[in-house]
Amino acid sequence: NAGVMQNPRHLVRRRGQEARLRCSPMKGHSHVYWYRQLPEEGLKFMVYLQKENIIDESGMPKERFSAEFPKEGPSILRIQQVVRGDSAAYFCASSGTGPEEAFFGQGTRLTVV
Amino acid sequence: GENVEQHPSTLSVQEGDSAVIKCTYSDSASNYFPWYKQELGKRPQLIIDIRSNVGEKKDQRIAVTLNKTAKHFSLHITETQPEDSAVYFCAASKGGTYKYIFGTGTRLKVLA
Repeated sequence: NAGVMQNPRHLVRRRGQEARLRCSPMKGHSHVYWYRQLPEEGLKFMVYLQKENIIDESGMPKERFSAEFPKEGPSILRIQQVVRGDSAAYFCASSGTGPEEAFFGQGTRLTVV
Repeated sequence: GENVEQHPSTLSVQEGDSAVIKCTYSDSASNYFPWYKQELGKRPQLIIDIRSNVGEKKDQRIAVTLNKTAKHFSLHITETQPEDSAVYFCAASKGGTYKYIFGTGTRLKVLA
C-alpha cells in the first residue's frame, strides 16, 4: 500500500497563475480531506470530499479555491490567480468508511513568487 | 465556532525527563482525539489517539488522557529521547468524519 500520494511535492507559481495540487488516497479509502498549513502554524481544515461529492467545504476561501474528487483519478485542489498569501503547505488526508484514523500525504509546498 | 487550544507552544526538556502537552476543546460533541507528530518538512504522523468512551490510553512511552467533563486531553511522553524532538499537534473531531480541528502545535525540544 503506497499510502496517500500527493504531487507535486513542491510547486512554484507566479502571482496570477493557477496551481493544481493532486492527491491520490490510500487504496480502499473513499474519503479525502484537504488541510492548509501556513509557516509556523497548525493545520486548518479546508474541504472534505467523497467520490464525486463535496461533503463539507466550510474551510475553503469563497473565491479562487475549488476542489474535486472525480469518479476516476485523484482529488484535485485548484487555486486560481494565486497570491503571495497562498504560499503554504497543502496536505491531503484519506480515510476509509470505518472508524480508522486519517492518513496524511507528504504535502505540496506551494510558493508564490 | 469549534476551537482547540494547545499549550505550551514550546517545551524544552532534558533527555530522560517527561513531557506533557495539554489541549482543550470547545465542542462537547467531539468524540475522537488524535495526536500527530510532525518533523520539519514532513507529513503529520499519528502517534496515538483516544475516543470519548475511554479515559486513558497508553502505548509504550506515550500516553493520552481525556477528561470529557472538563473538555481537555493531554499527551504524556516519558523517558524522552532526542528523536522525540518535533512539533506535536492535538486535534478533535466529531461524528463519523475525520474533519479535524487542530491545535496550534507544541514545539518539543529534547536536550541531550
